Amino acid sequence: NAGVTQTPKFQVLKTGQSMTLQCAQDMNHEYMSWYRQDPGMGLRLIHYSVGAGITDQGEVPNGYNVSRSTTEDFPLRLLSAAPSQTSVYFCASSDRGSGANVLTFGAGSRLTVL
Amino acid sequence: AQKITQTQPGMFVQEKEAVTLDCTYDTSDQSYGLFWYKQPSSGEMIFLIYQGSYDEQNATEGRYSLNFQKARKSANLVISASQLGDSAMYFCAMREGLLTGNQFYFGTGTSLTVIP
Repeated sequence: NAGVTQTPKFQVLKTGQSMTLQCAQDMNHEYMSWYRQDPGMGLRLIHYSVGAGITDQGEVPNGYNVSRSTTEDFPLRLLSAAPSQTSVYFCASSDRGSGANVLTFGAGSRLTVL
Repeated sequence: AQKITQTQPGMFVQEKEAVTLDCTYDTSDQSYGLFWYKQPSSGEMIFLIYQGSYDEQNATEGRYSLNFQKARKSANLVISASQLGDSAMYFCAMREGLLTGNQFYFGTGTSLTVIP
């Protein structure tokens, strides 16, 4: 049981380049989300999805796109990378609803934009 | 307004002592969940403990307990008998109910250092 798998773990981009961070989960979770972590800022929600075909914006969505064509996959696209997008990105998933539906995280992807 | 507030950027505790990490939250939901996560220097996010808004008893998981004071909207994490391996960042998080999006919100974290 792999849990949440994120790729790549590290990436260096030049300003203006585009890229996709991949996220896959094998727990049949309905809820998937992307966070960015910056020093002193905690984890901020970028985009989330409550099921295949359904996505919505979080707190800091600008400059990022997502899609959810399957339950398992939730890629995050950077359309035109900017230095302000240098961060550590986490994908996370959980069951929906009330109760102790713990958010399970991927290992993180460290992105540097030069 | 911040959904989750952690007012202690850094904390120090002597090994084998207990430590309390503060967390306050803001929601108008009646149904919500509160979580604590640990992030060691290796970077992974590790779930520690959960408290539901309707749970009358404080949650406990081994050396971790959650001091839940609903009227004060606080959900402090208590770590008993601190160990060197407890040195890490700790994040408080809240999941609101289904009607308000079922999203998770995180605080800015507290860096805990355990001193030998």
